[in-house]
Amino acid sequence: ELKVEQNPLFLSMQEGKNYTIYCNYSTTSDRLYWYRQDPGKSLESLFVLLSNGAVKQEGRLMASLDTKARLSTLHITAAVHDLSATYFCAVDIENSGYALNFGKGTSLLVTP
Amino acid sequence: ETGVTQSPTHLIKTRGQQVTLRCSSQSGHNTVSWYQQALGQGPQFIFQYYREEENGRGNFPPRFSGLQFPNYSSELNVNALELDDSALYLCASSSMGLAGQNEQFFGPGTRLTVL
Repeated sequence: ELKVEQNPLFLSMQEGKNYTIYCNYSTTSDRLYWYRQDPGKSLESLFVLLSNGAVKQEGRLMASLDTKARLSTLHITAAVHDLSATYFCAVDIENSGYALNFGKGTSLLVTP
Repeated sequence: ETGVTQSPTHLIKTRGQQVTLRCSSQSGHNTVSWYQQALGQGPQFIFQYYREEENGRGNFPPRFSGLQFPNYSSELNVNALELDDSALYLCASSSMGLAGQNEQFFGPGTRLTVL
């Protein structure tokens, strides 16, 4: 059974601090996706990581992929309140076209 | 470029009823995937349509069915609604066939409440 596990599931951090969200998965997929979801809203694509060693950065967020370890990280630098949201990682479901299997999400709250 | 749209936004049904949700894919996309997101959970894959054919299915019973039309829009039908079907239903579109271009773009979702 394909598993995608995120930790932590809940994260409260102060503005200005750094932190990392971890995503472990059980397939041999070499592609991984990060999405953001604000309360009551849909999913916004943040990063698409397409190969081992891929690193992408956008503003205060940086994502990386290690396919050998089956691990992706989402690093937050100098957090600001606007980053408060739920972050999901996802991998391709084998034999289902390009459908995605999501983790349970990490609910991030950035406080003053 | 038009994004993914879904209708209706909200829907309230009673147990045992049937419901149809609609999705229009993003311009240029030929693949539509449907997901169910229960409160506090990650989205769960229901099924995917590519060129009007079901291209994959998650662990959902047959009372969840779908269609894709020639213009790549799609419908999700749920029969014999159960209380546990209450969730946010998300549609995502993408372009099958472009290597590495599997970024899925999500619509705003339909919030279904079953009473």
